[in-house]
Amino acid sequence: DGGITQSPKYLFRKEGQNVTLSCEQNLNHDAMYWYRQDPGQGLRLIYYSQIVNDFQKGDIAEGYSVSREKKESFPLTVTSAQKNPTAFYLCASRSGLNTEAFFGQGTRLTVV
Amino acid sequence: AQSVSQHNHHVILSEAASLELGCNYSYGGTVNLFWYVQYPGQHLQLLLKYFSGDPLVKGIKGFEAEFIKSKFSFNLRKPSVQWSDTAEYFCAVNAGYGGATNKLIFGTGTLLAVQP
Repeated sequence: DGGITQSPKYLFRKEGQNVTLSCEQNLNHDAMYWYRQDPGQGLRLIYYSQIVNDFQKGDIAEGYSVSREKKESFPLTVTSAQKNPTAFYLCASRSGLNTEAFFGQGTRLTVV
Repeated sequence: AQSVSQHNHHVILSEAASLELGCNYSYGGTVNLFWYVQYPGQHLQLLLKYFSGDPLVKGIKGFEAEFIKSKFSFNLRKPSVQWSDTAEYFCAVNAGYGGATNKLIFGTGTLLAVQP
């Protein structure tokens, strides 16, 4: 099936540890995105990538890092510098700016 | 920088009532506009989109939206809601040509509850 796969669905980590969230797409999309969804705050853009080996900071990039070594993959690392990492993280992709973005099922990260 | 505002955070309607959800954006250039919906426990999915042409766009499930450039608005409407429309609705924008293309920004969302 074509789509976006985020894994795992639930993730628990201890405070102070870095954690990497996986996002893979087989839609042959150039652009990929990471959002954070918190109640009452909508989707806030963390990072986005328009093409392989290129990415830009979104509105809340502090404490996060990404890489885009392959077209299909856009992993997000939540570092220990992120002050409030517990959240629901959504990955999306699309083929271009005039097209629909497709979303993964999300990863709920809990840091204890 | 572009931004999106959704002023209605929670809306409660009875079935058959009409719906209008507000969306305003800030960006001086060409924009592409979207409405997405998130049903409970499901992925976000596209309701409709505007790129150019007729400012009144029709989407799935009887939804429509009107782009009013002078007001920087893209309000979502439905003449008669159903219980199955209960969901969270998100407006999104990305700058068109000449801007920070591909930067897709979402609003804070509107939670719609339709009472049977």
